[in-house]
Amino acid sequence: GAVVSQHPSWVICKSGTSVKIECRSLDFQATTMFWYRQFPKQSLMLMATSNEGSKATYEQGVEKDKFLINHASLTLSTLTVTSAHPEDSSFYICSARLGQIYEQYFGPGTRLTVT
Amino acid sequence: SQQGEEDPQALSIQEGENATMNCSYKTSINNLQWYRQNSGRGLVHLILIRSNEREKHSGRLRVTLDTSKKSSSLLITASRAADTASYFCATAYTGGGNKLTFGTGTQLKVEL
Repeated sequence: GAVVSQHPSWVICKSGTSVKIECRSLDFQATTMFWYRQFPKQSLMLMATSNEGSKATYEQGVEKDKFLINHASLTLSTLTVTSAHPEDSSFYICSARLGQIYEQYFGPGTRLTVT
Repeated sequence: SQQGEEDPQALSIQEGENATMNCSYKTSINNLQWYRQNSGRGLVHLILIRSNEREKHSGRLRVTLDTSKKSSSLLITASRAADTASYFCATAYTGGGNKLTFGTGTQLKVEL
């Protein structure tokens, strides 16, 4: 149980285009979803916290107009990287929280390469 | 930054040996969690220890927590090649809501 999927698993796009990444909780309803960014051989940095039906809460230094987050249902959150640039190339990982438990369940990640 | 640190950054051991990783953090916490990440994949939750607990076991894993020193350790006993991965501690700090702050990670390599 507690499976989280991400789609796509990898994407290559041209500079200036927008890319949408989906995060789904497959067998549970996620009250909260989180979006992280990870550079090679580095730790995860939280980008934003997403609650169903409300606006996402962004971490300091994360541009909300560039990284659009939509959490339309209890099983789906999307991250759209708008006007992507090569420096946005990274590994993006989502996670979901089930109810009031503390553990987070992570998706497999999406590798974004902007050329 | 709230980010904690882990040491060692990298650890290479032989199969059957024990592996110990340490995590230090900066602020008061509600709980501390350990996660594992295989290369290029998502994270898998291993174990959670609450701030009022000092030690916890799960299979071959043993976690300790010393809130006075703001540190935790993860011990993997009788390691296997399949334990090769990166290990991260993550803290849910007091007043941080549901957010987790991840440490810098330890890359463990278990050789046959």
